[in-house]
Amino acid sequence: DQQVKQNSPSLSVQEGRISILNCDYTNSMFDYFLWYKKYPAEGPTFLISISSIKDKNEDGRFTVFLNKSAKHLSLHIVPSQPGDSAVYFCAASGGGTYKYIFGTGTRLKVLA
Amino acid sequence: DTAVSQTPKYLVTQMGNDKSIKCEQNLGHDTMYWYKQDSKKFLKIMFSYNNKELIINETVPNRFSPKSPDKAHLNLHINSLELGDSAVYFCASSQDTSFQETQYFGPGTRLLVL
Repeated sequence: DQQVKQNSPSLSVQEGRISILNCDYTNSMFDYFLWYKKYPAEGPTFLISISSIKDKNEDGRFTVFLNKSAKHLSLHIVPSQPGDSAVYFCAASGGGTYKYIFGTGTRLKVLA
Repeated sequence: DTAVSQTPKYLVTQMGNDKSIKCEQNLGHDTMYWYKQDSKKFLKIMFSYNNKELIINETVPNRFSPKSPDKAHLNLHINSLELGDSAVYFCASSQDTSFQETQYFGPGTRLLVL
């Protein structure tokens, strides 16, 4: 039972344009959401998070949007840079547990 | 200076063998985790320890046994390795068990069982 889904396995974007990565979840008890970035042969690194009391959180070029009614979150990267090329995982937790449930990742390729 | 380190980075072994993976964090965190990333790229939690005590134990075969000698270390011992154990194993740590505490991951150990 996949509670966190990233339906796009890959995405290609031109340098300087916006990258939008999407994530859907099914458990309405989730109340904390995160995005991690992963380069090949490295562990995931934390990028940005959002609590369910907010609908937007911004950190430099990265913005996460949360739509609780749709059980959907998205990560916007503006402008995209070649160094952003990586696999992006969304994760969710909450409902009394601090366990992270991860999606399967979206591979972003930013073309120079 | 690496925050969360794992050894070995690669491990190739035969079915039926017993192997261990070590994890150390120098962040002063209280909570440590083991995750498994399988061939379908699912990153799934296996165990979590807080102050050397087991607090999460997902549905993992008994052949997997975590051991935490102190707060900074969480090792994973696997008995009687099977082909299906081939995966990337990630160790992680967080300050405590609060759900809003960021988890920091190690570089992973790539296990291949032949």
